[in-house]
Amino acid sequence: DAKTTQPPSMDCAEGRAANLPCNHSTISGNEYVYWYRQIHSQGPQYIIHGLKNNETNEMASLIITEDRKSSTLILPHATLRDTAVYYCIVRATGDYKLSFGAGTTVTVRA
Amino acid sequence: EAGVAQSPRYKIIEKRQSVAFWCNPISGHATLYWYQQILGQGPKLLIQFQNNGVVDDSQLPKDRFSAERLKGVDSTLKIQPAKLEDSAVYLCASSLAGANVLTFGAGSRLTVL
Repeated sequence: DAKTTQPPSMDCAEGRAANLPCNHSTISGNEYVYWYRQIHSQGPQYIIHGLKNNETNEMASLIITEDRKSSTLILPHATLRDTAVYYCIVRATGDYKLSFGAGTTVTVRA
Repeated sequence: EAGVAQSPRYKIIEKRQSVAFWCNPISGHATLYWYQQILGQGPKLLIQFQNNGVVDDSQLPKDRFSAERLKGVDSTLKIQPAKLEDSAVYLCASSLAGANVLTFGAGSRLTVL
C-alpha cells in the first residue's frame, strides 16, 4: 500500500535541472518525505529528506508544498551519472521500515 | 568508512536447492535489514534486526526463508528450498539505532532455474 505516487519515467537533458514530482496526499503530521535513488546494479542510495521546510544538500534540493501533499526533488545540473530510479518515500518518526514503491526511472540524455 | 558488504554478488541455483547470502553492515550500525527486489519492482522488506533481535519479519516467507544475526554484527539470509519466484536481488542495509538513513549494499543477485 504505497503512500506516494510518482510518474513511472521521465527524461532530462544533461546539464539541465531535473524536477521529479511526488504526490503524498495522505501524509501525516509526523511523516517525513525521503528520497533515495538506485543506479543500475547498485543498492539504493539516500539523497535527502524533509518534514515541511525546503532542504538542500550537495546532491539535490527538496521542495515540499505548504500543505505537504506533494514535493519535488530537484537535481540542479543533471549528469549522465544521475540516470537511475528515484524513490519518494514517506516515513514516520520512530518507524524504521522504509517502504519502496516503483519509483520514477529518470534517463539523462546527452 | 567502509560500506555494507554482501556476498556472493551472483548465484545461480536449481529450484529446490538451498542458498545463503552474507551481509557485513557498517561498523557500529545496530539495525540491519534484508530486502528482496524482484526485477522491475522496488525493494520489499523481508526482515529487520535491532542488534541480534528481530524487530519485524512479517514479510519473510518463513516456510523457506530464514535469517540470523547471532552476534549482532554479520547476518546471513538462507533460502531452502528455493523456488523459481525467489529469483531476485537480495539487498542488505544497515543504520544506526533510531537513525533515519539506511545505507545499502550492492546486493546479491539470485537466479533460480
